[in-house]
Amino acid sequence: LAKTTQPISMDSYEGQEVNITCSHNNIATNDYITWYQQFPSQGPRFIIQGYKTKVTNEVASLFIPADRKSSTLSLPRVSLSDTAVYYCLVGAINAGGTSYGKLTFGQGTILTVHP
Amino acid sequence: DAEITQSPRHKITETGRQVTLACHQTWNHNNMFWYRQDLGHGLRLIHYSYGVHDTNKGEVSDGYSVSRSNTEDLPLTLESAASSQTSVYFCASSPSGRSYEQYFGPGTRLTVT
Repeated sequence: LAKTTQPISMDSYEGQEVNITCSHNNIATNDYITWYQQFPSQGPRFIIQGYKTKVTNEVASLFIPADRKSSTLSLPRVSLSDTAVYYCLVGAINAGGTSYGKLTFGQGTILTVHP
Repeated sequence: DAEITQSPRHKITETGRQVTLACHQTWNHNNMFWYRQDLGHGLRLIHYSYGVHDTNKGEVSDGYSVSRSNTEDLPLTLESAASSQTSVYFCASSPSGRSYEQYFGPGTRLTVT
């Protein structure tokens, strides 16, 4: 499984755009990149998933360069409620969309949004 | 609305006792997972199942067992509880073909004394 490296913590202010970068130098051809968010005392929540280029949904955008050795989760105009831990995960998914094995959660990035 | 529930939410037990944590989902998801979360270790996968009667070991499966007799439930059993198993346990489920998109339960905080 590809190992991921993220910053341990980040600080931002309300209304700013936040970009969290994840390094995955050993990503394999079949690997997809998935991001989760976790609030204190809650289970993680799926945010976004992608393979290459850019993916956008109602919550965030995911930017993946051509070499796929890193990815950036972009949160537009954060609010206090975006304070959470953000996890970057890399795992293989076959053509049918099923993970070959399992998701491996790293330490994540603690994002703190200040007023 | 469909949901995933865990019970109990809090449990205190003694070393050596058998403990079963319940997980129930109403999404009709084929995939179900059990994780534990400890400070300094993030979430670690204990067991997972891709369907009825299917179970697989995760990275920290020693001392734990699961069985899947129906789609909705994946109970986690600690055969003989140890203090090292004090943790927060999360159950998750995901649709077939999208095992990366997991929906997590609220968690069970287990303390083994």
